[in-house]
Amino acid sequence: DGGITQSPKYLFRKEGQNVTLSCEQNLNHDAMYWYRQDPGQGLRLIYYSQIVNDFQKGDIAEGYSVSREKKESFPLTVTSAQKNPTAFYLCASSMGSGGRDTQYFGPGTRLTVL
Amino acid sequence: KNQVEQSPQSLIILEGKNCTLQCNYTVSPFSNLRWYKQDTGRGPVSLTIMTFSENTKSNGRYTATLDADTKQSSLHITASQLSDSASYICVVAVSGNTPLVFGKGTRLSVIA
Repeated sequence: DGGITQSPKYLFRKEGQNVTLSCEQNLNHDAMYWYRQDPGQGLRLIYYSQIVNDFQKGDIAEGYSVSREKKESFPLTVTSAQKNPTAFYLCASSMGSGGRDTQYFGPGTRLTVL
Repeated sequence: KNQVEQSPQSLIILEGKNCTLQCNYTVSPFSNLRWYKQDTGRGPVSLTIMTFSENTKSNGRYTATLDADTKQSSLHITASQLSDSASYICVVAVSGNTPLVFGKGTRLSVIA
C-alpha cells in the first residue's frame, strides 16, 4: 500500500457519535484525498487537499470534516450529521494534484454504525 | 457529465483462461486512463496508465488497450491465476486539477 497507513482497519460507532479516521503518508506527497466506497458503486470523493492548511470539498462532503495541519497527515472526521456513514473509507496521496500524478491508496478503514 | 462505464459487472472464469474487461468513458478534456486492481478489503493498486497517444500498455499478464477515438479501453488478462480474483477499476483523469472519474469496477472471480 505504498507508504500510506490508515487506522483503524475496522471501526464501530454508535449513532450520534463523531469518529475520526487516521491517514498518514511517508511518501512526501503534497496531495491527499479521502474516498468513500459502497458496494456496487465507484469511489466517491469526499475531500481533497493539494497542500498543507488547504483543502476542498469533493462530491459528497456533507457530514464530513478534514484538517491538513501537517504534510503527512490528513484525518477525516465523520460527524453525526452524516446520515449513512457505514462504508469503506479509502485515503490516497499523490505527488501533485494533476491528472498525470498517480494516486496511491491506503489499506482502508471499514466503518460500521451500530 | 463525465462518466466511466465498465462491463461486465462481474465475471467468473476458470484458472488458466484469458479474459477481457471493458471500459467506456465520456470524459472531456481527456488526460489519461488508468486501470487499478483492488483486492477485497484492500486499497486499489495501479496496474497501467495510458495517455492519449498510447494504444497499448502491458504489465506482466495484464495488457490494457486504449482507443481514444471511440473512447474505449480494455484490460486483457492472460493465463489467469487464482490471485487475479479482485475488482478491476477503470479511472479516467480530466486535464487540469480536477478529480478523477472512477468506474464502478468489474468483479473478477478465478476458480480452480
